[in-house]
Amino acid sequence: DSGVTQTPKHLITATGQRVTLRCSPRSGDLSVYWYQQSLDQGLQFLIQYYNGEERAKGNILERFSAQQFPDLHSELNLSSLELGDSALYFCASSVDTTYYGYTFGSGTRLTVV
Amino acid sequence: QQPVQSPQAVILREGEDAVINCSSSKALYSVHWYRQKHGEAPVFLMILLKGGEQKGHEKISASFNEKKQQSSLYLTASQLSYSGTYFCGTGGTSYGKLTFGQGTILTVHP
Repeated sequence: DSGVTQTPKHLITATGQRVTLRCSPRSGDLSVYWYQQSLDQGLQFLIQYYNGEERAKGNILERFSAQQFPDLHSELNLSSLELGDSALYFCASSVDTTYYGYTFGSGTRLTVV
Repeated sequence: QQPVQSPQAVILREGEDAVINCSSSKALYSVHWYRQKHGEAPVFLMILLKGGEQKGHEKISASFNEKKQQSSLYLTASQLSYSGTYFCGTGGTSYGKLTFGQGTILTVHP
């Protein structure tokens, strides 16, 4: 157990639907990062939150949104789902990437059918 | 910009050595290295800060050449457990996001 909890582990949904992925960071980590990893692809940065505020945005689609709550857990909302959104979605947390690495959650595997 | 890793794939026999390179067109503040086994989450290996630092972790070490904006990961006397995809992640300032390379697939055979 890395200390970063992601739920659910697997999600199968139909095109056009909306889903919410949840992430609880490791205790003490203020930054939460969301990454998308498609089949045999690298890790694509989506969005970062730091202590409740959006800190950086990557190539995140307008259909996707995220937020970080006062207890520091974060949710990634994916709407109007398309087949191409099928991927592994990782959440990672860090106290400070200057001196410490990311701790990744186990990921949510999303399959859109 | 995404850092570029080379080679894309490496096949080794146990006990052999390998080098994985990571290059960036942007000035680097830090370089992270991660290993991901199939179907699992990436696991942090080490971080290097600008200054030409070299670090080690078991038989895995890395260097960071700030002037060339490159980092190299050295795997010596490889073990079966080293198999996986290695990613470098380049970072900006503190708290900043990492941009990952496309990954290098390392396969170690008995």
